[in-house]
Amino acid sequence: GNSVTQMEGPVTLSEEAFLTINCTYTATGYPSLFWYVQYPGEGLQLLLKATKADDKGSNKGFEATYRKETTSFHLEKGSVQVSDSAVYFCALGATNKLIFGTGTLLAVQP
Amino acid sequence: GAVVSQHPSWVICKSGTSVKIECRSLDFQATTMFWYRQFPKQSLMLMATSNEGSKATYEQGVEKDKFLINHASLTLSTLTVTSAHPEDSSFYICSARVLAGGPDEQFFGPGTRLTVL
Repeated sequence: GNSVTQMEGPVTLSEEAFLTINCTYTATGYPSLFWYVQYPGEGLQLLLKATKADDKGSNKGFEATYRKETTSFHLEKGSVQVSDSAVYFCALGATNKLIFGTGTLLAVQP
Repeated sequence: GAVVSQHPSWVICKSGTSVKIECRSLDFQATTMFWYRQFPKQSLMLMATSNEGSKATYEQGVEKDKFLINHASLTLSTLTVTSAHPEDSSFYICSARVLAGGPDEQFFGPGTRLTVL
């Protein structure tokens, strides 16, 4: 079946540090892959997406590349800010549904 | 941007009572709404998909008679937890999708925390 596994948090970083949040998936076929972000007290928001192998999604300095050979979609940012503190969810889209990972809490300290 | 609201944001109820949670799309019409459930440190689990004017489609393992979903208009869906018990305590999240939108074109509400005593 389809599933998503992402690294457990919390991830605590200092401002301007490099961020990686790992995400791997299991799927039949060729799903679209997504990263969502949830800021405190708000709903999930789409951060970036990739629809096919080798696509790179990017937004607000975050990037993730769809790697079919390693079934991965790791989220990266070169220099995090305090305002990036949130919960990040990796997800895959299959048959018009979203399947989510467990979420990773990121805390960025000044 | 597209905004989805949920009401209430949190609710505490006694075991055996029923609780209704509302999900509204504030500035767009949502032909499809989704209801998710999230346990601590676990992923969002899709409970059901509802299309305006028709019966909801429940995921495997979700009790239809316990979790009643109504999607009577293009801007409102409700989830009623009937005869709630402590094991129903959870964080419930809804999302809304516009007509012919892909799986990523869902706009999420902020969630409702349900605690059953």
